[in-house]
Amino acid sequence: GAVVSQHPSWVICKSGTSVKIECRSLDFQATTMFWYRQFPKQSLMLMATSNEGSKATYEQGVEKDKFLINHASLTLSTLTVTSAHPEDSSFYICSAVDRGANYGYTFGSGTRLTVV
Amino acid sequence: AQSVTQLGSHVSVSEGALVLLRCNYSSSVPPYLFWYVQYPNQGLQLLLKYTSAATLVKGINGFEAEFKKSETSFHLTKPSAHMSDAAEYFCAVRGNSGYSTLTFGKGTMLLVSP
Repeated sequence: GAVVSQHPSWVICKSGTSVKIECRSLDFQATTMFWYRQFPKQSLMLMATSNEGSKATYEQGVEKDKFLINHASLTLSTLTVTSAHPEDSSFYICSAVDRGANYGYTFGSGTRLTVV
Repeated sequence: AQSVTQLGSHVSVSEGALVLLRCNYSSSVPPYLFWYVQYPNQGLQLLLKYTSAATLVKGINGFEAEFKKSETSFHLTKPSAHMSDAAEYFCAVRGNSGYSTLTFGKGTMLLVSP
């Protein structure tokens, strides 16, 4: 089945630095990818929709200058958390749509970001 | 707008007992509905999905769900719980256009005791 690879699985960074998270569709082309944020014991909150070759669409309240999304190819989307602060610490999950699989939404394994 | 409501943030069952996790949806268009499972510090794994075909959907690991339009429900069941079923379960509904995002419920933590 469709596989989405997300890296890194966890990262610790210092305040003020930037962190890049990658999301790759391994065996299908994903023209659309989604980035979610999940706080402990809570549901997934959509941050942005990433479309290959165009600018991402951000949800209300999500700072586009802080959470940079690039979807430069049909198999790769990246989320860069710029100038990270402790409040950005969270679990980030990507999802890719496999259009050949009848509404197959496949999720990455998530990235645990801790900003110290 | 589409939404889902999961009744019960926690459900506790004994090993071997019936599992029932409730999900009600609201949708302005015929819904596409999903159930996902999440283990700690992992992504989401699809259990099953309803895409307007058969109303009784069978998924992986012995789970199934029945779409009931009259009740706007899509409850998840499993006849006999295993310890390995202990996890967080999310019900989700697709947005109203093409490949729009999924809207998730708040999740239900399934606890399985020996």
